Amino acid sequence: DSGVTQTPKHLITATGQRVTLRCSPRSGDLSVYWYQQSLDQGLQFLIQYYNGEERAKGNILERFSAQQFPDLHSELNLSSLELGDSALYFCASSDGGIYGELFFGEGSRLTVL
Amino acid sequence: DQQVKQNSPSLSVQEGRISILNCDYTNSMFDYFLWYKKYPAEGPTFLISISSIKDKNEDGRFTVFLNKSAKHLSLHIVPSQPGDSAVYFCAASAGGGGADGLTFGKGTHLIIQP
Repeated sequence: DSGVTQTPKHLITATGQRVTLRCSPRSGDLSVYWYQQSLDQGLQFLIQYYNGEERAKGNILERFSAQQFPDLHSELNLSSLELGDSALYFCASSDGGIYGELFFGEGSRLTVL
Repeated sequence: DQQVKQNSPSLSVQEGRISILNCDYTNSMFDYFLWYKKYPAEGPTFLISISSIKDKNEDGRFTVFLNKSAKHLSLHIVPSQPGDSAVYFCAASAGGGGADGLTFGKGTHLIIQP
């Protein structure tokens, strides 16, 4: 158990819809990261938050947004969903220190029909 | 443009033998490298790492080798055990390390045959 909690574990929705994925980081970790893993793809970095502030942005689509709340949990919002958005979405956390190790949640599997 | 490449999608090794997983990178700014292991239905877990100031790091059965001139690193598992069957991701970090925006490869599925 990494200590990172993601909900929901599975989500099936239709094209055009909007979903919210939630992540609770390990106790004490200030950094939260979101990654997307599509079929036959590696882990694509989407976005990072540190103590409530956006810190780094990767290949995140404009239809996607994220935020980190004062209690440090984070939400990833995916809107106007397309079939190609079907993927595993992982949240990870770290203490933000140099050479900090990432601790991953079990992921949220999104299926867009 | 893939900055971290794992060219073998899968690798099959007999139990007890050595498993060698390879990873190549293109960004010369990368200075810290990590290997993560992933079982089905679980998130990736950290396995071992190496800083660019070293060329080898060992942790039990796992050793990571770094060849900076070739921009290549490899993970050696000796001896391989059935529980090592998993997907292994190579990851790299630039700009002084830290977990900011780790760049991952696509992974290699290691299968340990009994």
